[in-house]
Amino acid sequence: AQKVTQAQTEISVVEKEDVTLDCVYETRDTTYYLFWYKQPPSGELVFLIRRNSFDEQNEISGRYSWNFQKSTSSFNFTITASQVVDSAVYFCALGRRPNTGNQFYFGTGTSLTVIP
Amino acid sequence: GAGVSQSPRYKVAKRGQDVALRCDPISGHVSLFWYQQALGQGPEFLTYFQNEAQLDKSGLPSDRFFAERPEGSVSTLKIQRTQQEDSAVYLCASSLGPGAVYYFGPGTRLLVL
Repeated sequence: AQKVTQAQTEISVVEKEDVTLDCVYETRDTTYYLFWYKQPPSGELVFLIRRNSFDEQNEISGRYSWNFQKSTSSFNFTITASQVVDSAVYFCALGRRPNTGNQFYFGTGTSLTVIP
Repeated sequence: GAGVSQSPRYKVAKRGQDVALRCDPISGHVSLFWYQQALGQGPEFLTYFQNEAQLDKSGLPSDRFFAERPEGSVSTLKIQRTQQEDSAVYLCASSLGPGAVYYFGPGTRLLVL
């Protein structure tokens, strides 16, 4: 069975602090994809990153970085020097390899509030 | 437009009414998905199309839910005899193909009274 757990329901940080959002997944597939999406108050899910299961290199994009550790089935997301515009709900998702199912499995999301 | 569009953005229905929700995917995107997002929850899969073929409808909660994509582009999600538990945001997403990135629309917020 596929499952994504985001144990942090809500996080509040003061502007300019760093914050890490945790994501733990479960799957028996050997090939899979991991994603992070941002959902601002407007409601639209905004794509942030896609990772293949065979690529464990960490990635940095501006203030955002992702730490993928297959050994612990985790795909954590860090925002450095947080800004008020980062306030949103963040979802981690697991996607299966094509031909084994095309749906995403989303976590329940982490609501991040950045206080000015 | 450049992104996925959905209409209407908001829909209020009386219990028992039928509703139709429309999704216009990004041009050229083969794959189309419908998700249901209850308040405070992550999106949950409803159904998946590849072109006009509905390849997976395992997430549809009941036979009152029906989706179609007759020409492989625009898709409609229809809910018959709506119930209060159908109240949610219905999200549409499209992608270039299996395994590619999903791009989501803004959603249709359905409230059943």
